[in-house]
Amino acid sequence: DQQVKQNSPSLSVQEGRISILNCDYTNSMFDYFLWYKKYPAEGPTFLISISSIKDKNEDGRFTVFLNKSAKHLSLHIVPSQPGDSAVYFCAASTTGANSKLTFGKGITLSVRP
Amino acid sequence: NAGVMQNPRHLVRRRGQEARLRCSPMKGHSHVYWYRQLPEEGLKFMVYLQKENIIDESGMPKERFSAEFPKEGPSILRIQQVVRGDSAAYFCASSGTLNTEAFFGQGTRLTVV
Repeated sequence: DQQVKQNSPSLSVQEGRISILNCDYTNSMFDYFLWYKKYPAEGPTFLISISSIKDKNEDGRFTVFLNKSAKHLSLHIVPSQPGDSAVYFCAASTTGANSKLTFGKGITLSVRP
Repeated sequence: NAGVMQNPRHLVRRRGQEARLRCSPMKGHSHVYWYRQLPEEGLKFMVYLQKENIIDESGMPKERFSAEFPKEGPSILRIQQVVRGDSAAYFCASSGTLNTEAFFGQGTRLTVV
């Protein structure tokens, strides 16, 4: 039972363009969402998060959008850079669940120079 | 300010042997989480511990797996009588307070031969 779904396994974009990574969830109890970035042979690195009381959170080139009614969130990276090439994981948790995270399977982003 | 430290980075065990994976959380963090990543999969929650207490072990296999976080020293994930299916990357994460972002270690890649 995949509660957090990242249906596209990979995405390729041109340097300078926008990358849009999508994530869907099924558990309506989730109220906190995070994106992690992972390079090969390294641990996931926290990127950005959003609480369910918001619909947008922005940090530099990274913006996360949350559509609660659709149970959908997306990560926008603009402009994309070659160094952004990595696996991006969407994760979700519930308030009081002590940072116990449910992860999607990840999306491999490739940014072409 | 060292991050989450895991060792060893790579561990090879023969079927039937025991594997011990260690995790030292970030300084000041008292919440530790273990996740497992199987090939082509996202990270799966295994167990959440605080000092001397297992808070949530809902993701731990019922047999052969155990975890501890003693008053002194690192958290230990122990796998007894390993089988080939235990081959995976095991990640530890720590957080300072409830519902704050978890920081991950670089992982231990276990290979069972």
